[in-house]
Amino acid sequence: DAGITQSPRYKITETGRQVTLMCHQTWSHSYMFWYRQDLGHGLRLIYYSAAADITDKGEVPDGYVVSRSKTENFPLTLESATRSQTSVYFCASKANRGTEAFFGQGTRLTVV
Amino acid sequence: SQQGEEDPQALSIQEGENATMNCSYKTSINNLQWYRQNSGRGLVHLILIRSNEREKHSGRLRVTLDTSKKSSSLLITASRAADTASYFCATDATQGYQKVTFGIGTKLQVIP
Repeated sequence: DAGITQSPRYKITETGRQVTLMCHQTWSHSYMFWYRQDLGHGLRLIYYSAAADITDKGEVPDGYVVSRSKTENFPLTLESATRSQTSVYFCASKANRGTEAFFGQGTRLTVV
Repeated sequence: SQQGEEDPQALSIQEGENATMNCSYKTSINNLQWYRQNSGRGLVHLILIRSNEREKHSGRLRVTLDTSKKSSSLLITASRAADTASYFCATDATQGYQKVTFGIGTKLQVIP
């Protein structure tokens, strides 16, 4: 199916575990983004990528790692999950400068 | 800190009334975008206005941009219950990679 998909949709993990959230887009968009959404904070940018093998930190990168070996995939890894990382995570992609971003459905992550 | 800030944070109106939301941002931008988020869903792009445009229309939506004041407004005319959602502004900065940063959002409730 065309579009941008995130997996899993829901995840419960324990403190200290490593967890990876997946994001896949079928448009070959250059730019991809990871956001977290928390009540009172809106969407905060965690990491973004301008192309394969090019990534950069956003506003709240601590505790997260990303990679982009292929244009269509942009996984987000929590190396050692903490309760403060309980959130809804959104992945987005956009083609280039001056275009809109398309969002995945989100992953609701709970760290217990 | 986040680039965009929407105002008000919450708005409740009767069906048929107009709704106006405002967005302020901090740095120079290439364009500004408005998105809608229905409860528990991903964001959907509504409209993009470029830095050299002052006003743009799309159906019942009217967006204005004042780069001298670093502000934008979104007007929804003849609101419907289906317009109930959170609305976010996002900006593409002129400097660096094309990261897209969001504000906290305006939660709009349209009462039937």
